[in-house]
Amino acid sequence: EAQVTQNPRYLITVTGKKLTVTCSQNMNHEYMSWYRQDPGLGLRQIYYSMNVEVTDKGDVPEGYKVSRKEKRNFPLILESPSPNQTSLYFCASRGTGANEQFFGPGTRLTVL
Amino acid sequence: SQQGEEDPQALSIQEGENATMNCSYKTSINNLQWYRQNSGRGLVHLILIRSNEREKHSGRLRVTLDTSKKSSSLLITASRAADTASYFCATRDSGGSNYKLTFGKGTLLTVNP
Repeated sequence: EAQVTQNPRYLITVTGKKLTVTCSQNMNHEYMSWYRQDPGLGLRQIYYSMNVEVTDKGDVPEGYKVSRKEKRNFPLILESPSPNQTSLYFCASRGTGANEQFFGPGTRLTVL
Repeated sequence: SQQGEEDPQALSIQEGENATMNCSYKTSINNLQWYRQNSGRGLVHLILIRSNEREKHSGRLRVTLDTSKKSSSLLITASRAADTASYFCATRDSGGSNYKLTFGKGTLLTVNP
């Protein structure tokens, strides 16, 4: 089954404790992206990647890092999480030339 | 900044009625897409309309696009309780990054049985 998976689905952590949210897709998509969703703000893009080793900032990249060492994986790294990064995070992927984005199930992160 | 802005923010209707949601945007676009999100879940692509199209249908969905007004509407006909979800428009700018979709804040649709 074609899908985007994220882990963990739920995470409660404390300020300053480094964490990684993994994202993997099995559709051989070149393009992957991370979004955060907050009430009243909709979805905002954090980072995106056009292919292996090619990444760029979205609208709200501060406090986040990403890497794209393999085509299928696009982890989101919070080196020193803060409470304002409490949010619902989504990973998405899309094939080159396609328009439809496929979304993962989301990761609900709480930073205390 | 948010490109698409959906209107209304929330809509409550009875099963069988039609639901209309609107989206306005600010820049020239390549295409506009509508996505659906069930509570707390990932978004699912519904339909895409290109900038040179004015109307598109898919099942019970009808999308219109007016590039002169920079607006789009999504009509769901004969709504069902299972249509209850948030609906987002997303635009792909014609002049910006080829890879970026900009999402609006969404319309929460509640269909009462």
